[in-house]
Amino acid sequence: NAGVTQTPKFQVLKTGQSMTLQCAQDMNHNSMYWYRQDPGMGLRLIYYSASEGTTDKGEVPNGYNVSRLNKREFSLRLESAAPSQTSVYFCASSDASRGAYEQYFGPGTRLTVT
Amino acid sequence: GENVEQHPSTLSVQEGDSAVIKCTYSDSASNYFPWYKQELGKRPQLIIDIRSNVGEKKDQRIAVTLNKTAKHFSLHITETQPEDSAVYFCAATRNTNAGKSTFGDGTTLTVKP
Repeated sequence: NAGVTQTPKFQVLKTGQSMTLQCAQDMNHNSMYWYRQDPGMGLRLIYYSASEGTTDKGEVPNGYNVSRLNKREFSLRLESAAPSQTSVYFCASSDASRGAYEQYFGPGTRLTVT
Repeated sequence: GENVEQHPSTLSVQEGDSAVIKCTYSDSASNYFPWYKQELGKRPQLIIDIRSNVGEKKDQRIAVTLNKTAKHFSLHITETQPEDSAVYFCAATRNTNAGKSTFGDGTTLTVKP
C-alpha cells in the first residue's frame, strides 16, 4: 500500500513555463485535495475533488487548473508559472464520503519558479 | 468561509515540560477537528482528532479538548521529548462528502534537551 504518491519531488521552472504535478492514491478514497505550503502560511487549499468527475475551487485557485482523471488520480497544472507560485505542493486524500475525514498527504513537490 | 486561528506561532519548552497549542474557528457547522504533525522536510501526519460530540480525547501523552460553545480547541502534550519538535497544525472540517478542512498557520514546537 503506497498511500498517496506525487511526482516529481523537485522541479525548477522559468517564468511562463507550464507543468503538471501528478498525484495518485491507492486507498480507494473519494476526496482528493491540492495544497500549497509557504513558510509561516500553513496549508492553503488550491482545489479539491469530492468524487470522480467533480472539482471545486479552494482558497487560492488563481493560476492553477486541476483534473480528476479517475478515482485514483488528481493532477494540478500550472499553465504559465510565476515566481509567486514557488512553494511546496501537497496532494492529499480522504474517505470523506464514509465520514472518515482524516487526510493522508503525499510527500510533496518542491517547486521553484525563477 | 471558515477561518482558523492558531496560537502561538512558536513555542519552546524544556524536555519533560508540557506544551499547549490553541485554535479558534469561526464556522459553527464545523464538527471534526484534527491535529497534524509535520517534521522538517516531511509530510503532515494526523496525530489526534476530535469530533464535536466529544469534549476531550487522550492518546498517551497527547490530548485534545474542544469547547464548541466558545469555538476553540487545544492540543496538550505532556512530558515533552526532543522528538516532539515539529510544526503542529490544527484544522476544522465540515461534515460533507468533500471533507474540506481549513488549517491554522501552524505552531513550531521546539523541545530543548
